[in-house]
Amino acid sequence: DSGVTQTPKHLITATGQRVTLRCSPRSGDLSVYWYQQSLDQGLQFLIQYYNGEERAKGNILERFSAQQFPDLHSELNLSSLELGDSALYFCASSGTGVLRFTDTQYFGPGTRLTVL
Amino acid sequence: AQKVTQAQTEISVVEKEDVTLDCVYETRDTTYYLFWYKQPPSGELVFLIRRNSFDEQNEISGRYSWNFQKSTSSFNFTITASQVVDSAVYFCALSEVNTGNQFYFGTGTSLTVIP
Repeated sequence: DSGVTQTPKHLITATGQRVTLRCSPRSGDLSVYWYQQSLDQGLQFLIQYYNGEERAKGNILERFSAQQFPDLHSELNLSSLELGDSALYFCASSGTGVLRFTDTQYFGPGTRLTVL
Repeated sequence: AQKVTQAQTEISVVEKEDVTLDCVYETRDTTYYLFWYKQPPSGELVFLIRRNSFDEQNEISGRYSWNFQKSTSSFNFTITASQVVDSAVYFCALSEVNTGNQFYFGTGTSLTVIP
């Protein structure tokens, strides 16, 4: 058990809908990262938050957004869902994530999103 | 261009055989970190090892060992006396200090250990 929790475990929804994925980092970790894992794209970095502020952006679509709250949990919002958004979404956390210092990222169990 | 290449897509071995998973990386940074993660069929990503660019010492942890060679930009992972529980997808990842803590993952190697 990594100490990172994600809810829900599974989510089934329809095209055009909006969903919210939730992540709680390990106790004491300030950074949260979101990744998308799909069969054709592999593991893709989406976005990073550090202590409530956006730190880095990867291949995140404009239809997707995220935030990190004062209690350090994070939510990933996916809107106008398309079939191609079906994937496993991981959250990871690390201690500092401060530039020029690289921490090990510990991953949650993932949320499997199915868009029908 | 791929920063991390795992050329072996799938590997099958018979239980108790040794197996090496290859990882080749590309970076211009002098300070970087390399990682291996395991993704069993249950789906979670489990951290296995982290190595920084200044430490080329090989590491052994039980049946697992890692060979880091900067000269060939490789960070290979060997499982000795493989077991069925080792069946999983293994990912190699690179993190460059100058790009913060962003991880670049390889495409993974799916290992099947046949009893």
